[in-house]
Amino acid sequence: NAGVTQTPKFRVLKTGQSMTLLCAQDMNHEYMYWYRQDPGMGLRLIHYSVGEGTTAKGEVPDGYNVSRLKKQNFLLGLESAAPSQTSVYFCASSYSDPQDGGGVTEAFFGQGTRLTVV
Amino acid sequence: AQKVTQAQTEISVVEKEDVTLDCVYETRDTTYYLFWYKQPPSGELVFLIRRNSFDEQNEISGRYSWNFQKSTSSFNFTITASQVVDSAVYFCALRGVPGANNLFFGTGTRLTVIP
Repeated sequence: NAGVTQTPKFRVLKTGQSMTLLCAQDMNHEYMYWYRQDPGMGLRLIHYSVGEGTTAKGEVPDGYNVSRLKKQNFLLGLESAAPSQTSVYFCASSYSDPQDGGGVTEAFFGQGTRLTVV
Repeated sequence: AQKVTQAQTEISVVEKEDVTLDCVYETRDTTYYLFWYKQPPSGELVFLIRRNSFDEQNEISGRYSWNFQKSTSSFNFTITASQVVDSAVYFCALRGVPGANNLFFGTGTRLTVIP
């Protein structure tokens, strides 16, 4: 029962480098999300996807890009890393529950990726 | 606008004490969902409960209980007879409907249970 799996778990980047974070879920969920968690600020939504091939901006999208070529995968890219992107990144997935009015319900989270940009 | 306020930044209790974590929310949606998540020191986010806006029944699960009051826009979480393993950061969250993109988190309450 893997659930939501993030790769890698830790990474250190130099300013200006690029990288991709991979998120995979095996629950057949339609919706996937990328959040960042910073001290004292809770979780903030970066980008999300409501289905394969579709993505949209969240609350803090600048400096990030995403792709969802397959339903089970959601990639987060940093094209030119900056120290302000030092954070813990969480991927999550969720689904619509027809037994609860069809609303999008709880999010299931991966274990997080701790990214440091120096 | 959606907003979740967890006014308690940090709480410390001695083991076996009861503790209540406060959550106050704001939303214009008539249908919405409220959640609590636990983030232990290991860092993962663990889903605890989901409650929709039409269900104001209080929920009890073992030592955990939740008090949902629409009149005061609150969804408080009580741990009875706290244990050291309850030490974690607890997040309250709100999602409106249709809500694919708007799961809003509070800033969290760090609970420390002292043995």
